Amino acid sequence: DGGITQSPKYLFRKEGQNVTLSCEQNLNHDAMYWYRQDPGQGLRLIYYSQIVNDFQKGDIAEGYSVSREKKESFPLTVTSAQKNPTAFYLCASSGGYGDTQYFGPGTRLTVL
Amino acid sequence: DAKTTQPPSMDCAEGRAANLPCNHSTISGNEYVYWYRQIHSQGPQYIIHGLKNNETNEMASLIITEDRKSSTLILPHATLRDTAVYYCIVNGGTSYGKLTFGQGTILTVHP
Repeated sequence: DGGITQSPKYLFRKEGQNVTLSCEQNLNHDAMYWYRQDPGQGLRLIYYSQIVNDFQKGDIAEGYSVSREKKESFPLTVTSAQKNPTAFYLCASSGGYGDTQYFGPGTRLTVL
Repeated sequence: DAKTTQPPSMDCAEGRAANLPCNHSTISGNEYVYWYRQIHSQGPQYIIHGLKNNETNEMASLIITEDRKSSTLILPHATLRDTAVYYCIVNGGTSYGKLTFGQGTILTVHP
C-alpha cells in the first residue's frame, strides 16, 4: 500500500532532550512537509522540502531541525531549544511543491 | 493571501446532505480552494479542491460561486463516520504550498 508513515504514534521525552520524529513515504513524492497542531487549533507549518537535499523554514521553525537526504524520508528533530514541544506533529507529502498534500497519521509528542 | 471564514460548528442528520459553507472573499485568481477533514487524533484527510468550476468526486461535491468569494462543500448522504472537523483552505499566491489551517467547522452527524 502506498502512503505516509509516521512513527511512533506516541512519544514521551524528558525536558531538555532532543527527539527525532520519523516520516517516510512511498508515493514517490518530491515535496514533504512538517506541521504542528496544538489542542483545539489548526495546523502550522514548521519546515518543508521541495526536493531532496533542500528544505526551507515554515512559519514556526525555531527549535526544530530537519534533513532530506533521501526522497522517501524527512525526519524532524525537536531540539531542547523548542520552548513548548508538547504537540501533535503531522507529516505530509505532495507530488510536486504546491500540489495536493496527503498527510500521515501523526505523532503525539509529550515532554515531561 | 486569502483567509477563510467558516462556522465553528454544524449538525446534520444521518442520511441527509451536509452543506458546509466557507467564505474566502479576498481570494485571488490563481488561488485554489481546498477542503480537508480531520477525525480526532488522526491526520487530515484530503477531500476535494477546485479553482473556479464545480467539482465532484467519490467523497463530496464542491460548489464555488461565480465570483469565487465563497464555496460550499456538500456531503450528499452524511454518515456517522463523517463526524469530523472540516477545513476550508486557500492555496496559492505568495503562500503557494504552505497550507494554513484555521479552526475549521466541527460537523456532528446525528443518528
